[in-house]
Amino acid sequence: EAGVAQSPRYKIIEKRQSVAFWCNPISGHATLYWYQQILGQGPKLLIQFQNNGVVDDSQLPKDRFSAERLKGVDSTLKIQPAKLEDSAVYLCASSPHGAAAEAFFGQGTRLTVV
Amino acid sequence: DQQVKQNSPSLSVQEGRISILNCDYTNSMFDYFLWYKKYPAEGPTFLISISSIKDKNEDGRFTVFLNKSAKHLSLHIVPSQPGDSAVYFCAAKGVNDYKLSFGAGTTVTVRA
Repeated sequence: EAGVAQSPRYKIIEKRQSVAFWCNPISGHATLYWYQQILGQGPKLLIQFQNNGVVDDSQLPKDRFSAERLKGVDSTLKIQPAKLEDSAVYLCASSPHGAAAEAFFGQGTRLTVV
Repeated sequence: DQQVKQNSPSLSVQEGRISILNCDYTNSMFDYFLWYKKYPAEGPTFLISISSIKDKNEDGRFTVFLNKSAKHLSLHIVPSQPGDSAVYFCAAKGVNDYKLSFGAGTTVTVRA
């Protein structure tokens, strides 16, 4: 079974530039998450999709971050404009429908804003 | 507001000995707890979980203990092996909730 795919693996941009990350979840998984992990901290949920609908985006900085999940499968996360404090690893995860299901994570995209 | 706390940022243990990782939570609505393991440059991988209706779950060398009254859980690794060197995250979710709240992680180093 293929895992969660993310691209790119690494990205370096200047502040005020824009950047986009892509995620392909495990086939058939209804729930998709984007997490932000700042160095030395645990992952923090940015947004959660159930199929193509947003379930929770309460911690997404909506003035600069946006995300969509096309046709309930792939997802993109965009930052525009980027700030220095956005430097982090962005993790995509997916899980099958069900409250007790564990989430499966991708390898992440390491973003450095300079 | 950190609802899941791992107060020990690092742990060093001799190969073959027991590793004990601790986790505390504040939200009484949490009913499912998970441990994830993360190697450098990789995403977290699921290790073991426990439902709030249990107080112990065992899977090979890994055992998770849950003390609901103390809002505390721990992960025991016996015996510790060099391949166990990684960052371990404690996570929790609420009833009918898909959202995971993570602790800050504990870096385990197993010495040969």
